[in-house]
Amino acid sequence: EDKVVQSPLSLVVHEGDTVTLNCSYEVTNFRSLLWYKQEKKAPTFLFMLTSSGIEKKSGRLSSILDKKELFSILNITATQTGDSAIYLCAVEVSGTYKYIFGTGTRLKVLA
Amino acid sequence: GAVVSQHPSWVICKSGTSVKIECRSLDFQATTMFWYRQFPKQSLMLMATSNEGSKATYEQGVEKDKFLINHASLTLSTLTVTSAHPEDSSFYICSAIGGPYNEQFFGPGTRLTVL
Repeated sequence: EDKVVQSPLSLVVHEGDTVTLNCSYEVTNFRSLLWYKQEKKAPTFLFMLTSSGIEKKSGRLSSILDKKELFSILNITATQTGDSAIYLCAVEVSGTYKYIFGTGTRLKVLA
Repeated sequence: GAVVSQHPSWVICKSGTSVKIECRSLDFQATTMFWYRQFPKQSLMLMATSNEGSKATYEQGVEKDKFLINHASLTLSTLTVTSAHPEDSSFYICSAIGGPYNEQFFGPGTRLTVL
């Protein structure tokens, strides 16, 4: 059965800290891995990763994929209270457009 | 970027009534849309794949007679929760496949509360 697992489930840090969120997957027909940030409503897109070892970066956020070990990490440096959210990892199944979402990591950044 | 809307944003209804939620792709045509459900503090769970002009494909454990999906046009899919009960209270999110790279765009979600 295809599955996506994120860790930790929940994390509380102080402003300025750096956090690393993990996503591991077991999916039969992998096409891509995506990271989303979810606040009060629907998820907003952060990154899409398809190739191993190539870091994607956007401001203080960065992400990388390891297709051999079947995991991805999302790094947030110099965290701010506005980074508080649920971070979701999803794997797209090839040929179907279907996304399998992970359990999510709830991040809270304290001032 | 591509926009997907949902209507209503939130709805409160009595137990036993049916509720219809609309999902529209506003500036692109979507042959495929997805319906997700999210319980508090949990991740998104895919309920069904909605294909224009054909029957929806439901994920294991999702009752197709309970959650009726109709994808009548290339820009509209509807989810009807029939005979809603309090346990159906949840956040329902749709997404649509579109754009030059066949990306998935999420709607803003509909919060359903069944009393």
